[in-house]
Amino acid sequence: DAGVIQSPRHEVTEMGQEVTLRCKPISGHDYLFWYRQTMMRGLELLIYFNNNVPIDDSGMPEDRFSAKMPNASFSTLKIQPSEPRDSAVYFCASSLSGAPAEQYFGPGTRLTVT
Amino acid sequence: QQQVKQSPQSLIVQKGGISIINCAYENTAFDYFPWYQQFPGKGPALLIAIRPDVSEKKEGRFTISFNKSAKQFSLHIMDSQPGDSATYFCAGGTSYDKVIFGPGTSLSVIP
Repeated sequence: DAGVIQSPRHEVTEMGQEVTLRCKPISGHDYLFWYRQTMMRGLELLIYFNNNVPIDDSGMPEDRFSAKMPNASFSTLKIQPSEPRDSAVYFCASSLSGAPAEQYFGPGTRLTVT
Repeated sequence: QQQVKQSPQSLIVQKGGISIINCAYENTAFDYFPWYQQFPGKGPALLIAIRPDVSEKKEGRFTISFNKSAKQFSLHIMDSQPGDSATYFCAGGTSYDKVIFGPGTSLSVIP
């Protein structure tokens, strides 16, 4: 079975540009999580969805960040405009209903904003 | 209320030794305590987990010890191997909400 799929794996962009990160969760999973990981701040939860509905977006840093889940098999995280401090590894994870803590992580997208 | 504390921040163990990582939680609603293992360049992966109705769970060389009254739990890695070198995250969660991760422990097992 395919795991969580993320694209692109690496993204280098200039400050001010729009960045879109993509995630395909494991088929049948009801929860989808977006995380950001940096050396300074560790693993931060940005937002999570249950059955395509955003449940908690309190971790989204500011209005420049937005996330959508138009269907059960696809989600996007968008940063507009991007800033150098957004440089991090962004992970998507999914899990089954009733077991949101048993998360399966994707390989991550390494974002560099210059 | 939501925080999960983890120590030590980094750990160096000789091959064959025992690695011990400790965690403490505050939210008494947590009913599931997973540990995740992350290798460089990879996403975290679920390693082992425990529910508070048991005091210990063992899977191979990995053991979780759980103390509900103290709100503490720990991961023991027996016969540590260089291949165990990774970052380990403890976490707490429920069956209906997000999981809260600890800050992570970087483990290095030296030959």
